[in-house]
Amino acid sequence: DTAVSQTPKYLVTQMGNDKSIKCEQNLGHDTMYWYKQDSKKFLKIMFSYNNKELIINETVPNRFSPKSPDKAHLNLHINSLELGDSAVYFCASSQVRPGAGSPLHFGNGTRLTVT
Amino acid sequence: AQKITQTQPGMFVQEKEAVTLDCTYDTSDPSYGLFWYKQPSSGEMIFLIYQGSYDQQNATEGRYSLNFQKARKSANLVISASQLGDSAMYFCAMREAFSTGTASKLTFGTGTRLQVTL
Repeated sequence: DTAVSQTPKYLVTQMGNDKSIKCEQNLGHDTMYWYKQDSKKFLKIMFSYNNKELIINETVPNRFSPKSPDKAHLNLHINSLELGDSAVYFCASSQVRPGAGSPLHFGNGTRLTVT
Repeated sequence: AQKITQTQPGMFVQEKEAVTLDCTYDTSDPSYGLFWYKQPSSGEMIFLIYQGSYDQQNATEGRYSLNFQKARKSANLVISASQLGDSAMYFCAMREAFSTGTASKLTFGTGTRLQVTL
């Protein structure tokens, strides 16, 4: 009964390759996010979708392309992987409510290592 | 400008003692929410506690309480009766209600690593 699940948990690949990370949530939330956690543990938002519509697109290279086939799924495709892409990528979801009170529910993260 | 500041990169506390993890924030939005998350060494992000900017009382959840001082723009997390399992990274985060888009983001601080000792 996992709430936010992402696969794979670990991803090791070579520079220049293309890879995808999948995320699914069964909480019925309207909004999904991708966050990147770097080696210093800093968490930064990359993208957010609300009901399949891209809402937030922070300064992220064009090599990163999110896709939301429906509001329960948000995938992240990365082209031409670079060493600097090595990080932990977290998917998250939340319910949209008036005000600021909805917490994000995170997946367990995907540790991407580019060699 | 840093929106969320956690000035303690690391903290130590003895088991059964209380510990306060500091968080200050910066916003001009009158409506905002403050969150604390725990990240154990296994890596998952666990939501702990939430405080709304209009809440009159400090939030509490079990052994966690939030010391909210609005005028000082601080939202410190207090963990009472520390346990060995509390050893983890702790992140403070803020959502501004009127930030861009209907799915406003959570902005995180740099985290505090808490180590509970015997």
